[in-house]
Amino acid sequence: AQSVTQPDIHITVSEGASLELRCNYSYGATPYLFWYVQSPGQGLQLLLKYFSGDTLVQGIKGFEAEFKRSQSSFNLRKPSVHWSDAAEYFCASRYNNNDMRFGAGTRLTVKP
Amino acid sequence: ETGVTQSPTHLIKTRGQQVTLRCSSQSGHNTVSWYQQALGQGPQFIFQYYREEENGRGNFPPRFSGLQFPNYSSELNVNALELDDSALYLCASSLDGSSYEQYFGPGTRLTVT
Repeated sequence: AQSVTQPDIHITVSEGASLELRCNYSYGATPYLFWYVQSPGQGLQLLLKYFSGDTLVQGIKGFEAEFKRSQSSFNLRKPSVHWSDAAEYFCASRYNNNDMRFGAGTRLTVKP
Repeated sequence: ETGVTQSPTHLIKTRGQQVTLRCSSQSGHNTVSWYQQALGQGPQFIFQYYREEENGRGNFPPRFSGLQFPNYSSELNVNALELDDSALYLCASSLDGSSYEQYFGPGTRLTVT
């Protein structure tokens, strides 16, 4: 069955430091992959998505993600984290046209 | 252009009761998906409505039901509430039965006591 794993429940980084959030998926074919961000009391906002083509995807707010088929991974990166990036981050994959599977999320804390 | 809105924001119900949650889709969107997000978990897909018809369902029992109206707004109904139904319920709107580009509402926090 399709699933998404985010190995890190909580990550703390210093402001200005680089960030990488890990995501692994299990699916026979290449899935459609997404990263969402959720601030407290808010809904989810789409950061970026991968369907096909270039494996390095640029998103909003300076985020990027790289699809690596050999590792079944779709890790999210940002070169320099800002305090406003503190939030919960969810990786998701699309199973069929309407069934999105989400990981359990990674909570990002940013130290001043 | 208005975004996705949900009502109410918070709700407290007693076990065994029934609840209706509402969602207004983003202007121009004809598809609404509902998700349940338990505390500390990622959202889980409940079902999707496209042009007033159910267009896919996740692993939720029949006491979770829905409707979509001609203006594409949607309702999620949950009967015989259980304590485990306590969660944040999110709706997301998109175009044409897809989930490629979903826009999420802020959610309804349901507490079952």
